[in-house]
Amino acid sequence: QKEVEQDPGPLSVPEGAIVSLNCTYSNSAFQYFMWYRQYSRKGPELLMYTYSSGNKEDGRFTAQVDKSSKYISLFIRDSQPSDSATYLCAMSFYGQNFVFGPGTRLSVLP
Amino acid sequence: SQTIHQWPATLVQPVGSPLSLECTVEGTSNPNLYWYRQAAGRGLQLLFYSVGIGQISSEVPQNLSASRPQDRQFILSSKKLLLSDSGFYLCAWNLDRTAGNTIYFGEGSWLTVV
Repeated sequence: QKEVEQDPGPLSVPEGAIVSLNCTYSNSAFQYFMWYRQYSRKGPELLMYTYSSGNKEDGRFTAQVDKSSKYISLFIRDSQPSDSATYLCAMSFYGQNFVFGPGTRLSVLP
Repeated sequence: SQTIHQWPATLVQPVGSPLSLECTVEGTSNPNLYWYRQAAGRGLQLLFYSVGIGQISSEVPQNLSASRPQDRQFILSSKKLLLSDSGFYLCAWNLDRTAGNTIYFGEGSWLTVV
């Protein structure tokens, strides 16, 4: 079983839709959870960072962590064409390296 | 605020030629520095990390090496490139690795070995 699994997509949605991106993981020791947005041929940009379980909201973005299910989500409300990118989930725990998902390609169609 | 610079952005190198990718961080001191490689459809693979000048840890045995000659400078090198070295290389930094703090990336360097 891979340490972090993420549907690679591509996921295509119309402008204004609510987007749900998800990752599952196998290591229950993970405590820190991140979402990155990566435009084509660019470095990943940090979008959201959460510690342990719960929800965090920032503008149109909401990150959810369910440690009991080993499942994290990123929701994008009122999606825009500028949200078209690859979204990477990442996680870590104390003193250890980061583990990244392979990324989900998202296309928001105008 | 902190910024990270990585160069060159794109390069095409023949097999057997040397490689040098450079990365510098501004606006902070004593950063942890990382080199990752990203292959299409796969997660980021950690190649090297450094917690201080001259301190390099290698995660994956390979044709590459890293050096940290100054506090905020990290260099990825190879003496003889292989075709399999082609890929997208990312430099990254954070301040407190042991606390699991998040990590920030540079713009990346696209390497094509021909």
